[in-house]
Amino acid sequence: EAGVAQSPRYKIIEKRQSVAFWCNPISGHATLYWYQQILGQGPKLLIQFQNNGVVDDSQLPKDRFSAERLKGVDSTLKIQPAKLEDSAVYLCASSSTPYTGELFFGEGSRLTVL
Amino acid sequence: EDQVTQSPEALRLQEGESSSLNCSYTVSGLRGLFWYRQDPGKGPEFLFTLYSAGEEKEKERLKATLTKKESFLHITAPKPEDSATYLCAGHLLQGAQKLVFGQGTRLTINP
Repeated sequence: EAGVAQSPRYKIIEKRQSVAFWCNPISGHATLYWYQQILGQGPKLLIQFQNNGVVDDSQLPKDRFSAERLKGVDSTLKIQPAKLEDSAVYLCASSSTPYTGELFFGEGSRLTVL
Repeated sequence: EDQVTQSPEALRLQEGESSSLNCSYTVSGLRGLFWYRQDPGKGPEFLFTLYSAGEEKEKERLKATLTKKESFLHITAPKPEDSATYLCAGHLLQGAQKLVFGQGTRLTINP
């Protein structure tokens, strides 16, 4: 069974530039999550989708971050404009239902903002 | 405020030296307590779910336990391949169900 795919693995940008990350969840998983993990910290939920609808985006900085899951499968997370404090690993995860804490994570996309 | 706190932040052991990692939580409406393992450059990998006080789960050299306020991850006779960051997370019932992670314990096992 293929795991959660993410790209790119690494990205370096200047502050005020934009960046986009892509995620393809495990086949059949209706629930998709984007987490932000700053070095030395645990993952923090940014947004949760159920199919193509948003379930929770309470911690998403909506002035600069956006995410979509148009066809209920893969998803894109965008940051525009980036700030220095956005340097982190962006983890995508999926699960078979929204009622489980057993998530399957991708390897993450490491963002460095200079 | 819902909070999950892990201690110690880092732990260095000799191969075969048993120890425990702590996860304390102050969350309302806890649905379950989860343990994950994260290797460098990888995403977290699910280990255990605990739902009620007194529950225990085991996997190889790891055993997770749960009380009403905290969880422990006991590691018995660890090997170098057990080196990783161990994350615990509370699964909240309120509103949209979500995981709240602790900051992790970075475990190093020296041969």
